[in-house]
Amino acid sequence: DTAVSQTPKYLVTQMGNDKSIKCEQNLGHDTMYWYKQDSKKFLKIMFSYNNKELIINETVPNRFSPKSPDKAHLNLHINSLELGDSAVYFCASSQDPWGAPNTEAFFGQGTRLTVV
Amino acid sequence: AQKVTQAQTEISVVEKEDVTLDCVYETRDTTYYLFWYKQPPSGELVFLIRRNSFDEQNEISGRYSWNFQKSTSSFNFTITASQVVDSAVYFCALSEAQDGTASKLTFGTGTRLQVTL
Repeated sequence: DTAVSQTPKYLVTQMGNDKSIKCEQNLGHDTMYWYKQDSKKFLKIMFSYNNKELIINETVPNRFSPKSPDKAHLNLHINSLELGDSAVYFCASSQDPWGAPNTEAFFGQGTRLTVV
Repeated sequence: AQKVTQAQTEISVVEKEDVTLDCVYETRDTTYYLFWYKQPPSGELVFLIRRNSFDEQNEISGRYSWNFQKSTSSFNFTITASQVVDSAVYFCALSEAQDGTASKLTFGTGTRLQVTL
């Protein structure tokens, strides 16, 4: 059973399109995240949700909108895609109560987004 | 602000050699957590270890060992008798315990390890 699963694994789309990436975790964790890995492999947090509530928003353009219908799901919707959005997007989850960062995050396999 | 530095961009070794990946961190907190993740060529991120700031004991897991030294703000990772399957990008990460704010992982830029026959 996959602990954190993302779909799709690959996404190629044209500039200006709107796309979504879905993420689901079956670990029973309270907190979910989106991280972005750029072409130089640099990983940076974008958003974090705890029990469906947004708790971290790292100055990401508002074309990016996360949505958490329940605590097991955190989807990422991107409007008006730009070339610079090309990256690998990782979903993650952790059993991470507010203010207690002592648990590891488990990552999905990543979604490679290519904007052409 | 927290920061993680992995000065080694890329390391190449021959199989069976030992290799150490360096990680230096900066934080103003007294309570924090350090992590290592592995990213093999297939792309997923695999958790390897977590350490909290109050536990400076070194850890060994099979061929892997970690050396945590608060005095030098370092959390180095050694692979003994490296194997081709160890070829990957390795990330060191830091998470701070800040009351009233959510935690997040701050990653280093990664070290690409290439193990050849």
